[in-house]
Amino acid sequence: DAKTTQPTSMDCAEGRAANLPCNHSTISGNEYVYWYRQIHSQGPQYIIHGLKNNETNEMASLIITEDRKSSTLILPHATLRDTAVYYCIVKAGGTSYGKLTFGQGTILTVHP
Amino acid sequence: NAGVTQTPKFRVLKTGQSMTLLCAQDMNHEYMYWYRQDPGMGLRLIHYSVGEGTTAKGEVPDGYNVSRLKKQNFLLGLESAAPSQTSVYFCASSYGRTARNTEAFFGQGTRLTVV
Repeated sequence: DAKTTQPTSMDCAEGRAANLPCNHSTISGNEYVYWYRQIHSQGPQYIIHGLKNNETNEMASLIITEDRKSSTLILPHATLRDTAVYYCIVKAGGTSYGKLTFGQGTILTVHP
Repeated sequence: NAGVTQTPKFRVLKTGQSMTLLCAQDMNHEYMYWYRQDPGMGLRLIHYSVGEGTTAKGEVPDGYNVSRLKKQNFLLGLESAAPSQTSVYFCASSYGRTARNTEAFFGQGTRLTVV
């Protein structure tokens, strides 16, 4: 699976949009971009994933560049409860059996 | 619908003792995984299973054994615990054998301390 690079930490004001970037320049054609978050040492929580089109769900939006070498997770109206470590993971389909390779992630701190 | 349930939530072991961590899922998922997370680090895959009766090694399998006798359960065993196995252990499950990737669901973790 391709390697990802994320900033170590980011801050965001409550109510504002949080934009978390991720670089995955070695991504290959069959690899998906996944985002998970981990709140205060709880089990990781799935947020969203995509292949090449932008995706949106009730939690967030995922913007993937046309060349697929980077992506941005957008939390449109961040709340204090969104303070967490956010992991960007690139994972191949097929026989990878859903194995996830977690890096260090981005520590997002939402301020009042 | 409980999702993924891990038992126990906390445990303290002495060096050399053995124990089994239980993971149960009620979503009829094919795939199950055991990860460990050390302070300040991301999760690392220990073992995984792609179906009942099957297991495979992950990134850090040494010192652990697993079994998947029933589809809904995935057991992680420590035969002779060592202080280096002090960690938080997470179980996860996901659908399998589908053309479209799907997400993994995680349990709340087991905090294990080996003294």
